[in-house]
Amino acid sequence: GAGVSQSPRYKVAKRGQDVALRCDPISGHVSLFWYQQALGQGPEFLTYFQNEAQLDKSGLPSDRFFAERPEGSVSTLKIQRTQQEDSAVYLCASSSPTRDIQREQYFGPGTRLTVT
Amino acid sequence: AQRVTQPEKLLSVFKGAPVELKCNYSYSGSPELFWYVQYSRQRLQLLLRHISRESIKGFTADLNKGETSFHLKKPFAQEEDSAMYYCAPLYNFNKFYFGSGTKLNVKP
Repeated sequence: GAGVSQSPRYKVAKRGQDVALRCDPISGHVSLFWYQQALGQGPEFLTYFQNEAQLDKSGLPSDRFFAERPEGSVSTLKIQRTQQEDSAVYLCASSSPTRDIQREQYFGPGTRLTVT
Repeated sequence: AQRVTQPEKLLSVFKGAPVELKCNYSYSGSPELFWYVQYSRQRLQLLLRHISRESIKGFTADLNKGETSFHLKKPFAQEEDSAMYYCAPLYNFNKFYFGSGTKLNVKP
């Protein structure tokens, strides 16, 4: 079946603009994760949903970052008043812990955000 | 704070040579240990996990709780193994902490 998809794949924003990044997880996956990957670094955890509930948002770097998953499937990561330090690849992953007790996460291709 | 250390940013070996990618993690509870790989122009994907004690594409990883290490090994590297490799302990059943990655370059 289809894997995790993300859109847009590339986004250029001027400093101060708001952006919205979309993630479509694998159908039926209850868990959804967002990661931020800066250049030359590994992915860093941002937030985690189980169905529509946001169970962990400890990795969100500031209150300019907001994520939602209102119907328990598609998720949107919103960044308000973007800053240059927000430039990174934003990765989405999903998993189905009820079916995969080993908790493998399936990653999307990422959205590369460049703030100018 | 949970930490993952992958000391080599770049590892270059010749085809057929053994390879070892090092990973050390800070201890807090009993994390599950994973290795993820990203081939050129592809998405991040699972390579192997310690709980399965499996060998994938000839790679194995031994968990050493005493040294809190989970090094990835392959006896004979192939050119198609060239990729970025990330060590990733999983804490609290859902939160991955990724290392900064090691780029493996296998030369012909």
